[in-house]
Amino acid sequence: DGGITQSPKYLFRKEGQNVTLSCEQNLNHDAMYWYRQDPGQGLRLIYYSQIVNDFQKGDIAEGYSVSREKKESFPLTVTSAQKNPTAFYLCASRITGGGQPQHFGDGTRLSIL
Amino acid sequence: GIQVEQSPPDLILQEGANSTLRCNFSDSVNNLQWFHQNPWGQLINLFYIPSGTKQNGRLSATTVATERYSLLYISSSQTTDSGVYFCAAALGGNTPLVFGKGTRLSVIA
Repeated sequence: DGGITQSPKYLFRKEGQNVTLSCEQNLNHDAMYWYRQDPGQGLRLIYYSQIVNDFQKGDIAEGYSVSREKKESFPLTVTSAQKNPTAFYLCASRITGGGQPQHFGDGTRLSIL
Repeated sequence: GIQVEQSPPDLILQEGANSTLRCNFSDSVNNLQWFHQNPWGQLINLFYIPSGTKQNGRLSATTVATERYSLLYISSSQTTDSGVYFCAAALGGNTPLVFGKGTRLSVIA
């Protein structure tokens, strides 16, 4: 089955700890994105990558880091510098070039212990 | 960057009623999508519609790109239509989608 797989579905972080959220796609999409959603709010862009080994900051990149070593994988690390990490995190991907929609994974819920 | 505004923020419907959700955007776009977020948080892709009109069952959408708005129509609403509807738009190239704040729809039996 083709799609975007995010893991884990639920994640708990202790104070001062870094955690990594996984996003894998087998759609052969070039571009991948990370969004954050707070309760009752829309989605805000954290980071995106249009090609392997390259990525750009979104609107709320502080306290997060990413890597793009493989086309199919775009992990997001929530560092201890992110003081309010509790949120729902969604990964997306799309084919580059005009006229193509973004597709989303099912999300990871991150909470502070 | 582009601004996306949705209205109304909340909507309550009796089952069987029709509704129209609106999305205004501030610039020319080459990508506009409508999503339904279900109670489990999944974003369901409803329409990819940077211009024109599309229909899928009881749902249809129209985007008038020159006037910078899009409409989502829900006919004969059902309780399973409840959830949050998001509009998202992007400028040219591979720029990421920018989301509106959503319309929270509650359909009551």
